[in-house]
Amino acid sequence: DTGVSQNPRHKITKRGQNVTFRCDPISEHNRLYWYRQTLGQGPEFLTYFQNEAQLEKSRLLSDRFSAERPKGSFSTLEIQRTEQGDSAMYLCASSPTGHGYTFGSGTRLTVV
Amino acid sequence: KNEVEQSPQNLTAQEGEFITINCSYSVGISALHWLQQHPGGGIVSLFMLSSGKKKHGRLIATINIQEKHSSLHITASHPRDSAVYICAVRWGGSGGGADGLTFGKGTHLIIQP
Repeated sequence: DTGVSQNPRHKITKRGQNVTFRCDPISEHNRLYWYRQTLGQGPEFLTYFQNEAQLEKSRLLSDRFSAERPKGSFSTLEIQRTEQGDSAMYLCASSPTGHGYTFGSGTRLTVV
Repeated sequence: KNEVEQSPQNLTAQEGEFITINCSYSVGISALHWLQQHPGGGIVSLFMLSSGKKKHGRLIATINIQEKHSSLHITASHPRDSAVYICAVRWGGSGGGADGLTFGKGTHLIIQP
């Protein structure tokens, strides 16, 4: 297992378009987290899955954002009707216990 | 609001200097993480602490639970240590993303040759 994989690494999209990111966690990790990081800031929690169940969502996650983890393995994060303020690095992390985390390299989204 | 504060925000030092980065948090935690982020975004976990001190190579992390404070030290710093160092905590109660981490803003470290 090569760690947490995120695709794509970079995404440039026009305002108003929908985008989808994918995260493949470490296979035996049952917990998966999405974070967003804007320039010069630390990452901020978006949402968390334990297996296929989405257990918590941040207030940062507006109605335009949706995340799924259909089989408790990979997860997708979709942003509908993108806005320029959505431009950020989207980070995924997985954990077997909620204490030790492994992060992916992130997907950098630019909305033009 | 549960918060994580890091200092300094930016630090430039000469190769070989001893580096200290500080992290303070507002309420009880179950664990504190020190993370390293290089340009391009990837985050590497350096340490996870709930008490005491840990050492790995030239990196040392300490935590004082009573004072709600942690430090990351780098001995004999090298230009390849240049990165953003981020402190993150998992709260003891249900604050922040209850099972997720709350991050500081990071310390941007530059080590000049």
